[in-house]
Amino acid sequence: ETGVTQSPTHLIKTRGQQVTLRCSSQSGHNTVSWYQQALGQGPQFIFQYYREEENGRGNFPPRFSGLQFPNYSSELNVNALELDDSALYLCASSPGWGEADTQYFGPGTRLTVL
Amino acid sequence: GESVGLHLPTLSVQEGDNSIINCAYSNSASDYFIWYKQESGKGPQFIIDIRSNMDKRQGQRVTVLLNKTVKHLSLQIAATQPGDSAVYFCAENPNTGFQKLVFGTGTRLLVSP
Repeated sequence: ETGVTQSPTHLIKTRGQQVTLRCSSQSGHNTVSWYQQALGQGPQFIFQYYREEENGRGNFPPRFSGLQFPNYSSELNVNALELDDSALYLCASSPGWGEADTQYFGPGTRLTVL
Repeated sequence: GESVGLHLPTLSVQEGDNSIINCAYSNSASDYFIWYKQESGKGPQFIIDIRSNMDKRQGQRVTVLLNKTVKHLSLQIAATQPGDSAVYFCAENPNTGFQKLVFGTGTRLLVSP
């Protein structure tokens, strides 16, 4: 086990709605990254937070946003849900902020958009 | 564009055999590479990593080889066990200045008894 937890496990939403996914990192891990994994694909990087600030972003629109809190928890918010947002959403925490620091993944939240 | 590809989508081996999973990467600026194992219904699990200043690194029953000349990465699993059955992803950090990993589509390893 990585010590990274995510909630909820599964979620069903309809197009146009908003969703908040939650992640709890390992204690002491100041960096958290979020990934989207479509069925049969590898994870795609959404963004990274370090000490409560976004410091790196992938090719995702602004309706994907996040928050990181001092207690090692974080959120991924997605507004105006689209059908293509259906995927497994993974958070990964890391003890450092360097590129070569190992990222430890949680089990993911399966989001289905109808 | 960024891409990390895999040569074989599915690899079937017998228990006890050695497995080799291959991966090609496209970004010559990448300086950090990782192999993850993902079992059904779970998040990716770290297996082993390697930096670009190395060409080989060994772990417990696993070895990663890096050939920067041809931008190729491989994962060798010794004495493959049924519990090794999973999807394996290679990932690279394309030297972005933050912890962005670029993953391939994965190789499914099937180990039969």
